[in-house]
Amino acid sequence: GESVGLHLPTLSVQEGDNSIINCAYSNSASDYFIWYKQESGKGPQFIIDIRSNMDKRQGQRVTVLLNKTVKHLSLQIAATQPGDSAVYFCAERTPQGAQKLVFGQGTRLTINP
Amino acid sequence: NAGVTQTPKFQVLKTGQSMTLQCAQDMNHNSMYWYRQDPGMGLRLIYYSASEGTTDKGEVPNGYNVSRLNKREFSLRLESAAPSQTSVYFCASSEWQGGSYEQYFGPGTRLTVT
Repeated sequence: GESVGLHLPTLSVQEGDNSIINCAYSNSASDYFIWYKQESGKGPQFIIDIRSNMDKRQGQRVTVLLNKTVKHLSLQIAATQPGDSAVYFCAERTPQGAQKLVFGQGTRLTINP
Repeated sequence: NAGVTQTPKFQVLKTGQSMTLQCAQDMNHNSMYWYRQDPGMGLRLIYYSASEGTTDKGEVPNGYNVSRLNKREFSLRLESAAPSQTSVYFCASSEWQGGSYEQYFGPGTRLTVT
């Protein structure tokens, strides 16, 4: 079946630096991608999403880039803050998925003071 | 507006016991989902309900049953709990609108089966 994977399971950055979290997806026909943030002991929270007809989308301090040629998705967080420490998941909607999402394993982001 | 609520927050069961996890949403969403999350893992879909009156299996349905009681409520039942079902369970809901498939998650139920 389809799977969404991540290049790095953990990432440490200095406070104030920019961070980039990567995600590889396997289904070239997936048409929608989404990033979630999960803090310890909580449910996932929506960060940003992007449709396959776009290459880039920006939010507040976050940018998602989509490279369909190599089936790669990234989340950029600008000027990281201690509150950004969390696990970040990408997910994709596959053509067979209706309203279902397929989640990756997650990357733990740690912000060092 | 509470969003997605789940009860209980924590539960310890002995092998073979049964229990029902409750989930409710107040956003008038048609679709609801149950996921499990094991340590260091992503979310795996157990069952989902595209609309009231329908349910379908996800990636890991064995050992579970669900009931879509009404549009608001979607429950997950473990008939005979096993240690392999120790996990954190998340309920979510969604409504396709404006091109978004965002799912809204509850706070989770932490289940331990001994």
